[in-house]
Amino acid sequence: DAGVIQSPRHEVTEMGQEVTLRCKPISGHNSLFWYRQTMMRGLELLIYFNNNVPIDDSGMPEDRFSAKMPNASFSTLKIQPSEPRDSAVYFCASSLGGYGNTIYFGEGSWLTVV
Amino acid sequence: DAKTTQPPSMDCAEGRAANLPCNHSTISGNEYVYWYRQIHSQGPQYIIHGLKNNETNEMASLIITEDRKSSTLILPHATLRDTAVYYCIVRVAYSNTGNQFYFGTGTSLTVIP
Repeated sequence: DAGVIQSPRHEVTEMGQEVTLRCKPISGHNSLFWYRQTMMRGLELLIYFNNNVPIDDSGMPEDRFSAKMPNASFSTLKIQPSEPRDSAVYFCASSLGGYGNTIYFGEGSWLTVV
Repeated sequence: DAKTTQPPSMDCAEGRAANLPCNHSTISGNEYVYWYRQIHSQGPQYIIHGLKNNETNEMASLIITEDRKSSTLILPHATLRDTAVYYCIVRVAYSNTGNQFYFGTGTSLTVIP
């Protein structure tokens, strides 16, 4: 079975540029999560969708970050404009049943903003 | 807020059992104990979870004390591929609301040849 698929796996961009990260959740899962991982802050939840609707976006750091889920099989996390402090690994995860059940992670998108 | 306490690092000899402890003294009655691990450069991987009974699957065993204030993840025969950061998480399960998965800092397990 295909797991959570993220793209790109690696991206290097210049400060001020727009970055779009993409995620395809596991088929049949109705909840999707975006996490960010850095050495300083560990693994942080950014936003959580249930049935394509954003439920909790309290972890989104600021207005430069936005996330969408236009359908059950696709989500994007956009950073505009990007800054060096946004450099991190961004993970997408999905589950069946919202917060409640086990969540499964993708392999992550490694973002470097120079 | 961290709800779990884990040692920052541990070593284990290859082929031996790795016993990873976790303290969760403030766990609530409806909170489950979950274990994930993260191998370098990969996404966190689900291992096992339980409420109060001991659990076993193909990857590991989970032993939860009777008062549920602590638990131990057991990898019965550790291999070099088990070298990873192991996260112990407590959270309400089977609910569409409630607390998120808080990962904390975990235990860095090194399996030594």
